[in-house]
Amino acid sequence: GAVVSQHPSWVICKSGTSVKIECRSLDFQATTMFWYRQFPKQSLMLMATSNEGSKATYEQGVEKDKFLINHASLTLSTLTVTSAHPEDSSFYICSARGWDRANEKLFFGSGTQLSVL
Amino acid sequence: AQKVTQAQTEISVVEKEDVTLDCVYETRDTTYYLFWYKQPPSGELVFLIRRNSFDEQNEISGRYSWNFQKSTSSFNFTITASQVVDSAVYFCALYRQGAQKLVFGQGTRLTINP
Repeated sequence: GAVVSQHPSWVICKSGTSVKIECRSLDFQATTMFWYRQFPKQSLMLMATSNEGSKATYEQGVEKDKFLINHASLTLSTLTVTSAHPEDSSFYICSARGWDRANEKLFFGSGTQLSVL
Repeated sequence: AQKVTQAQTEISVVEKEDVTLDCVYETRDTTYYLFWYKQPPSGELVFLIRRNSFDEQNEISGRYSWNFQKSTSSFNFTITASQVVDSAVYFCALYRQGAQKLVFGQGTRLTINP
């Protein structure tokens, strides 16, 4: 079964509204989570890195006030797209990193397709 | 700076042909990990392999094989006897443990024609 659950799989929202995407690690504790954005036919671009209990580290060019990341527990990180605009429409993917019996694990969620009308 | 280059944007072959996807990386780190992921049309990323920088052994898993050569900073992926279900976008990625970042290549869109 999936070890990282991302929800929702797709979401359509009106311009100006906020959307929250959840990323859960199901069978290990994720000390670090990553959020990526992927435009059609392009690669995954890292948006931010979040460590449990700390503020997220954003990549250059990513607006931290627009893309709010919360990593309050070892199994859950959320990405909130605030005041969404059509240009925010994209595929968002989370990744969770953690340790399980001395084995480092890095797994990806199934992604969220966001469409802003 | 770290960088992953997948020079082949698109590859199209006929079923049962062998195909190799190239990946060249740049990093100054001595400890790092290299990955290959498959992204089918449904969008989710499927983990294929992880290789750490100290392990240059080539690996074979069924029809898949990987050739890691530190001397040329390459981590190429070969599919033997390709099948239509292999059609997807394949990403090579580099993970720097110190920076805790996974950097992806541009991806190679592989199409296997029946």
